[in-house]
Amino acid sequence: NAGVMQNPRHLVRRRGQEARLRCSPMKGHSHVYWYRQLPEEGLKFMVYLQKENIIDESGMPKERFSAEFPKEGPSILRIQQVVRGDSAAYFCASSPGVDQPQHFGDGTRLSIL
Amino acid sequence: DAKTTQPNSMESNEEEPVHLPCNHSTISGTDYIHWYRQLPSQGPEYVIHGLTSNVNNRMASLAIAEDRKSSTLILHRATLRDAAVYYCILRRNFGNEKLTFGTGTRLTIIP
Repeated sequence: NAGVMQNPRHLVRRRGQEARLRCSPMKGHSHVYWYRQLPEEGLKFMVYLQKENIIDESGMPKERFSAEFPKEGPSILRIQQVVRGDSAAYFCASSPGVDQPQHFGDGTRLSIL
Repeated sequence: DAKTTQPNSMESNEEEPVHLPCNHSTISGTDYIHWYRQLPSQGPEYVIHGLTSNVNNRMASLAIAEDRKSSTLILHRATLRDAAVYYCILRRNFGNEKLTFGTGTRLTIIP
């Protein structure tokens, strides 16, 4: 049973470019969460999605960041016009339902040149 | 969200039991106590959770104080693979899905 798959594992972008991070949840999981870990800091919640719906985006920056979880395919975290401060590890987690433990992927490490 | 307090770091000898403490004096009645750990260069991994009673699984045991203001994660026999940052997290039931990670306890295992 494959775990949460994130790709790419490493992503390098220049300032002003777009970054697209993908997350395939575990089989049977319909709830997806994105977290960000800045260097030397703890993980911070960004957004919680169910299929085709954003449930809680209280941790998302107001500009340049968006997330989706379409009916078919992986969840996508999109960062437009990246800046140096976006350099971080982005982790995706999934769960089969509410109040269930979350299972994390190994993250995408985003570096901005 | 109620806050948790953990020691910044701990050390333990390999093959010895490890007791990782967590204080949560402002815990509410609907808060579950969750533990996750993060190994180097990996995503967090769920360890165990409980509400009032002590819990055991294949990874660890969770001992919860009678007043629920503190808890202890117990690794019965530490191995080098248990070296990680351990996070104690309070999670309110009934749909509060986001996990609020603190700074956790960095556990070092001494061979």
